[in-house]
Formats: sequence, C-alpha cells, structure tokens
Amino acid sequence: NAGVTQTPKFRILKIGQSMTLQCTQDMNHNYMYWYRQDPGMGLKLIYYSVGAGITDKGEVPNGYNVSRSTTEDFPLRLELAAPSQTSVYFCASTPGSDVSPLHFGNGTRLTVT
Amino acid sequence: GESVGLHLPTLSVQEGDNSIINCAYSNSASDYFIWYKQESGKGPQFIIDIRSNMDKRQGQRVTVLLNKTVKHLSLQIAATQPGDSAVYFCAENMGGGSNYKLTFGKGTLLTVNP
Repeated sequence: NAGVTQTPKFRILKIGQSMTLQCTQDMNHNYMYWYRQDPGMGLKLIYYSVGAGITDKGEVPNGYNVSRSTTEDFPLRLELAAPSQTSVYFCASTPGSDVSPLHFGNGTRLTVT
Repeated sequence: GESVGLHLPTLSVQEGDNSIINCAYSNSASDYFIWYKQESGKGPQFIIDIRSNMDKRQGQRVTVLLNKTVKHLSLQIAATQPGDSAVYFCAENMGGGSNYKLTFGKGTLLTVNP
C-alpha cells in the first residue's frame, strides 16, 4: 500500500490564482482530513469527510473548498490564493469504524506571493 | 486559545537518557489521545495512543501517561537515541461518536545530543 499520497510536493502561487491540492489513499479509509501547519505551530483542521459525498468544516475552512466523490480521493481547492494561505498542507485518513490513529501524507508546501 | 498545549517548546537530552514530553488539555470530554512524531519535511508519524479509560500505555521504548484529574498527558521515551530527534505533538479527540477529529498542540522539539 502507498498509504496517503499528496501532490504536488511544492507549489508557488501568485495572489488570486487558484489550485487544487490532491490527496488519495489506497487503504479504503472512510474518514479523510485536511490540515494546515504554519511554521512552529501545530496542525489546524480545515475540512474533513466521513465518507464519499459527505464533507464538513473544521477549525479554519475560510478560503478553501473540498469534495469527496470517491472513497479514495479528497482534493482541497483554493479559489483565490492569499498570502495567509502560505503553509504546509497535510492530508490524513483513518478507517472511521472506531477512533484510531490518522495516517498522514508527506504534505504539500504552498507559498503564495 | 488552544485546548491542547505543551509545557516545554524545546527539550534537549543526552543520548541514552530518558525523555519526558508533557501536554495539557482542557476538554474533560476528550476520549482519545495520540502522540505523533514529525521529522523535518515529513508528515506526522503515529507513536502511541491511549483512550480515556486508561492511565498508562506502553509501547516499544515509549510510554504514555494520562492523568485525567489534572488533564495532563505525557510521553516518556526510554534510552533516547539520535533518531528520536524530531517535533512531538499530542492530539486529542474532542468530537463525540462519529464526529472524530483530532486537535493538535503546538509541538515540542526534542534534540538528542550524542
């Protein structure tokens, strides 16, 4: 199993541009999450999904959108990039049948200038 | 403010010593806690977890202690090695039932000196 795969690894955007951060997992996990990590800080939850077709906001959802059309994929969309969205973005998944550790991808480092 | 926090932002130990990383949480309803290790440029890696109905759980070289009375969580690493150098995060599940989502603390940087 590849686990949780995130693409791209790095990206530089200009203010106002849009992009989609891709996340896919091959573990048949129902629950998926997007977190952002600012320098020297912990992870903050942006959006999460408990199954295909179901998404919900986390702590910091403004400026982002998500969709969950399949169990495997959970893309994160930035429509109008702002400097405040410069961060490292982590996708994670877990089976969801009971509380259990989240499996994380290796992150996407995004810079908005 | 964050409900999950750390007493020490940095910790420096000698190789072979034991390390203790502390974490405070404020939500008495949290039912599940996890410690993660994050190396530079990588995603968090699971170390050990504990449910709220337990006080202690041991893994290989690691022990997690949970004190619900004072809402305190600690990670003990025995015989710390250079490969243990990383940032360590505690996380708690404040969501009940199917609303499972983790809230993370800021992290502690552990440096192991040879």
